Amino acid sequence: DAGVIQSPRHEVTEMGQEVTLRCKPISGHDYLFWYRQTMMRGLELLIYFNNNVPIDDSGMPEDRFSAKMPNASFSTLKIQPSEPRDSAVYFCASSFGPGDTQYFGPGTRLTVL
Amino acid sequence: AQTVTQSQPEMSVQEAETVTLSCTYDTSESNYYLFWYKQPPSRQMILVIRQEAYKQQNATENRFSVNFQKAAKSFSLKISDSQLGDTAMYFCAFWGSRGLLSLNAGKSTFGDGTTLTVKP
Repeated sequence: DAGVIQSPRHEVTEMGQEVTLRCKPISGHDYLFWYRQTMMRGLELLIYFNNNVPIDDSGMPEDRFSAKMPNASFSTLKIQPSEPRDSAVYFCASSFGPGDTQYFGPGTRLTVL
Repeated sequence: AQTVTQSQPEMSVQEAETVTLSCTYDTSESNYYLFWYKQPPSRQMILVIRQEAYKQQNATENRFSVNFQKAAKSFSLKISDSQLGDTAMYFCAFWGSRGLLSLNAGKSTFGDGTTLTVKP
């Protein structure tokens, strides 16, 4: 398997623009997670899905953030409008079941100017 | 909500020596899973070791082993025969079990990380 795939790897945008991050989980994994990593806040869980259904989105910072999982092989994290404080590395991870190893993608480094 | 605390922001060790990274957690869950992940400068998150809370035996993976003390809610990582390639940030993580009535069912929490430098 190719592992968790994220795109783009790097994104630079201007404040106010819409940003869409994409993730393809490992085939057969039922859980998908979106994390954000910053120096100040460390690694934060934003939202996770089980069988394409959002289970807990309490980590989503505000309404500007939204995530979808239209099918088992694709998820998006959207920020609209983006702000400089959204600059971070965003990771997607997937796992087979509860408590199983989460496999992380390479991350997307987002810079909002 | 569960919390994970890594009290050592930075550590260093000489090549070939042994080092122990500390992790404590707080939870009301009775069944859960604990992990150590490694993040080298490439930023890729890599699983080092996984422990199931209901198992008494400490997990081991080659040079990596854990000391799991459930009553004390402690989960330390020991790296033996340290190698230069072990230089990375190490994260301790907690994942609560999926119970019908648990508010934290299925949610994972990471500590702030410990930056480990292996010196030649």
